[in-house]
Amino acid sequence: GAVVSQHPSWVICKSGTSVKIECRSLDFQATTMFWYRQFPKQSLMLMATSNEGSKATYEQGVEKDKFLINHASLTLSTLTVTSAHPEDSSFYICSALTPSNTGELFFGEGSRLTVL
Amino acid sequence: ILNVEQSPQSLHVQEGDSTNFTCSFPSSNFYALHWYRWETAKSPEALFVMTLNGDEKKKGRISATLNTKEGYSYLYIKGSQPEDSATYLCASPSDSSYKLIFGSGTRLLVRP
Repeated sequence: GAVVSQHPSWVICKSGTSVKIECRSLDFQATTMFWYRQFPKQSLMLMATSNEGSKATYEQGVEKDKFLINHASLTLSTLTVTSAHPEDSSFYICSALTPSNTGELFFGEGSRLTVL
Repeated sequence: ILNVEQSPQSLHVQEGDSTNFTCSFPSSNFYALHWYRWETAKSPEALFVMTLNGDEKKKGRISATLNTKEGYSYLYIKGSQPEDSATYLCASPSDSSYKLIFGSGTRLLVRP
């Protein structure tokens, strides 16, 4: 089956620094990837849609300058949390849309960000 | 904004028990209903994608039904095993795009 790899799994950073999270589709080409965020005991919240070769589209309330998304190739999307603050501490998870056109998503393992 | 709700929030069952949980979604402007299983420290894994009213899908001991007219889907697990312990998520797109809106999940714990 399709495999999506996300890195890093855990990251701790100081307030004010930027953190980059990578999401790679290992055995298929993903023109569309999605970034989700999960707060404790809540559902996965869609942050943005990452489209290869074009700008990401952000959901309402998500700051595009805070959460920079780049999808420069068919197998890699990155999420950069800029000038991170403690309130950005969360679980971030990416998913890739499979080429099958069923809408089925393949997920990465997720990244736990802690901002001190 | 599409609201996808799941119940119960958590469920503890004994090995061998059969169990089921519910996903509710708005019946208007329905496009699809997805079920995912999310084991701890792993990636969410797709179980089913359902689109037709009355559809029933099965994968091993797990099956799901869909009622788009009344806006619900049931996930059934027959003869639960400890390895079925996971969070089960349902999701539905709010429009014709593939952007999924997720419910908060049902956390299943199967005791040996």
